[in-house]
Amino acid sequence: QKEVEQDPGPLSVPEGAIVSLNCTYSNSAFQYFMWYRQYSRKGPELLMYTYSSGNKEDGRFTAQVDKSSKYISLFIRDSQPSDSATYLCAYTNAGKSTFGDGTTLTVKP
Amino acid sequence: EAGVVQSPRYKIIEKKQPVAFWCNPISGHNTLYWYRQNLGQGPELLIRYENEEAVDDSQLPKDRFSAERLKGVDSTLKIQPAELGDSAVYLCASSSRGTANTGELFFGEGSRLTVL
Repeated sequence: QKEVEQDPGPLSVPEGAIVSLNCTYSNSAFQYFMWYRQYSRKGPELLMYTYSSGNKEDGRFTAQVDKSSKYISLFIRDSQPSDSATYLCAYTNAGKSTFGDGTTLTVKP
Repeated sequence: EAGVVQSPRYKIIEKKQPVAFWCNPISGHNTLYWYRQNLGQGPELLIRYENEEAVDDSQLPKDRFSAERLKGVDSTLKIQPAELGDSAVYLCASSSRGTANTGELFFGEGSRLTVL
């Protein structure tokens, strides 16, 4: 079993939809939780990170962490075609990050 | 501020040939990482440097892969000889002293290797 499991997708939604992306993890030692966005043929870029259970908002993006269930989510409100990318969840412990395999999102105009 | 710079962006070689990738991290970032990303998968750590010291190379296939970070700035990752299964994107990332523990990584655009 992989340490990080991510909903595989792909996911296709119409512009303006609310998108939910999800990951589960098995290692209780994970301390920090991140979401990266990766456009085609580009490197990942950090979207958000958090270390506590609860919600963290940044514009149209909300990261939700539930440590008791070992579950994290990323919500995208009012999705735009420019949000079309692969979203990677990641967890960090002692400076070492472990990534999920990504969910590819397409937002259709 | 310039980002992480990698070269070459694309490389096509035949199996058993050597190949090298170069990375220049963000200025002032003392932690440098090499990741490998296979198609449809997330990045997997190959090696992590703190300044010029490799502090985690447990996932580096040492029979054919080598890396160095002389002077604690830029870094080179080498594969010799390359195998068909080495076809992947090799990503370099860096982080500062304050962000390394939280996992805030800044990635380059990657070097895409195709082994024929």
